[in-house]
Amino acid sequence: GAGVSQSPRYKVAKRGQDVALRCDPISGHVSLFWYQQALGQGPEFLTYFQNEAQLDKSGLPSDRFFAERPEGSVSTLKIQRTQQEDSAVYLCASSSGPTGSSGNTIYFGEGSWLTVV
Amino acid sequence: AQSVTQLDSQVPVFEEAPVELRCNYSSSVSVYLFWYVQYPNQGLQLLLKYLSGSTLVKGINGFEAEFNKSQTSFHLRKPSVHISDTAEYFCAVTYTGTASKLTFGTGTRLQVTL
Repeated sequence: GAGVSQSPRYKVAKRGQDVALRCDPISGHVSLFWYQQALGQGPEFLTYFQNEAQLDKSGLPSDRFFAERPEGSVSTLKIQRTQQEDSAVYLCASSSGPTGSSGNTIYFGEGSWLTVV
Repeated sequence: AQSVTQLDSQVPVFEEAPVELRCNYSSSVSVYLFWYVQYPNQGLQLLLKYLSGSTLVKGINGFEAEFNKSQTSFHLRKPSVHISDTAEYFCAVTYTGTASKLTFGTGTRLQVTL
């Protein structure tokens, strides 16, 4: 498709389980972002890739969170030993270039809804 | 650190009435400003953005926003709302000259009724 695609759309995990969330950005988009959106809140930045390089991971809440983009296209966000506070929507976004340098639009996927029970 | 304040968590309005959703940001440097809309169970869709130039920005679905540097505001307006405008609206900011992530406000729920 033409947009950012995320899978799974919905995931229920037992506390302590590992999860992996996949993001397929818009073809050719250099920049890829992961955001976390808790219920009733705005999205919060997790990490940023430019091609395969992870240039900013300052938003990852703990070392249980890990993201990769090995070939500069598809990205995976992995959460190890999930906890209840990890329950949120995880949004992936992509843009054709660095947003700040020219105001490139960031396009968001529909999100992966994670519930930890 | 940059931050965005959306003072109104909910805004109820009747159909065909005008609406203004408020957004203030804190930054001492140049910024780019955005408004996104989120319909239930969907991702974020860009409504409009301010990069430079004219302070009045027009977006999709009849929305517009005005950048006011002195008041560090970027309020969103629509002269006549429709039921289909019911959604969550997020204001976001990013610094110019950086690779940059967006910093979002907490959102304003626009509820349009007959």
